[in-house]
Amino acid sequence: DAKTTQPTSMDCAEGRAANLPCNHSTISGNEYVYWYRQIHSQGPQYIIHGLKNNETNEMASLIITEDRKSSTLILPHATLRDTAVYYCIVRAYYGGSQGNLIFGKGTKLSVKP
Amino acid sequence: NAGVTQTPKFRILKIGQSMTLQCTQDMNHNYMYWYRQDPGMGLKLIYYSVGAGITDKGEVPNGYNVSRSTTEDFPLRLELAAPSQTSVYFCASSPGTGGVGYGYTFGSGTRLTVV
Repeated sequence: DAKTTQPTSMDCAEGRAANLPCNHSTISGNEYVYWYRQIHSQGPQYIIHGLKNNETNEMASLIITEDRKSSTLILPHATLRDTAVYYCIVRAYYGGSQGNLIFGKGTKLSVKP
Repeated sequence: NAGVTQTPKFRILKIGQSMTLQCTQDMNHNYMYWYRQDPGMGLKLIYYSVGAGITDKGEVPNGYNVSRSTTEDFPLRLELAAPSQTSVYFCASSPGTGGVGYGYTFGSGTRLTVV
């Protein structure tokens, strides 16, 4: 079973920041937080990951709370093309079965004009 | 650079038929994975491989078989297709030992209907 809890759906106005929350209260010390998104039946796309520090790349920012029990993915200026299902996943550092990605149902983000 | 290529994109099978879903990657990734996604649900891991000649079961392996004879290819075999196997199948790969920073690259999927 997925180790994360996300809202089922969210709406965001085009051009505004989209803030997607994720709870992972049972995260362990060797697990990272990963975010993927899936645009309309395409294969999932990697967005960003982090351990305990905030991270930023060209797609998004990831804010992880100090206790690591929750995180927020931020899309700073959402566009219609950001409409997708967003998956928050916790994953162990090392390989083998504990390093496999386990997907929950994710959050369906709808960006509206 | 093609990434992860899956064939076919669509297929309709009759109950009891068999087929092989093909997956190939050109990134020299060690790890490869097969997932299925039922309507409105997240992806579930079927099988994975950490290198040529090594495979292991995921969450939902029943009714499927895999092989990994080369680094590039990871075919998924369905024997005796059942309606419950109607789904979209995604293949993915990742480099190294599956460690930090190595995101998965997914194929575009195979949509399978069993009637």
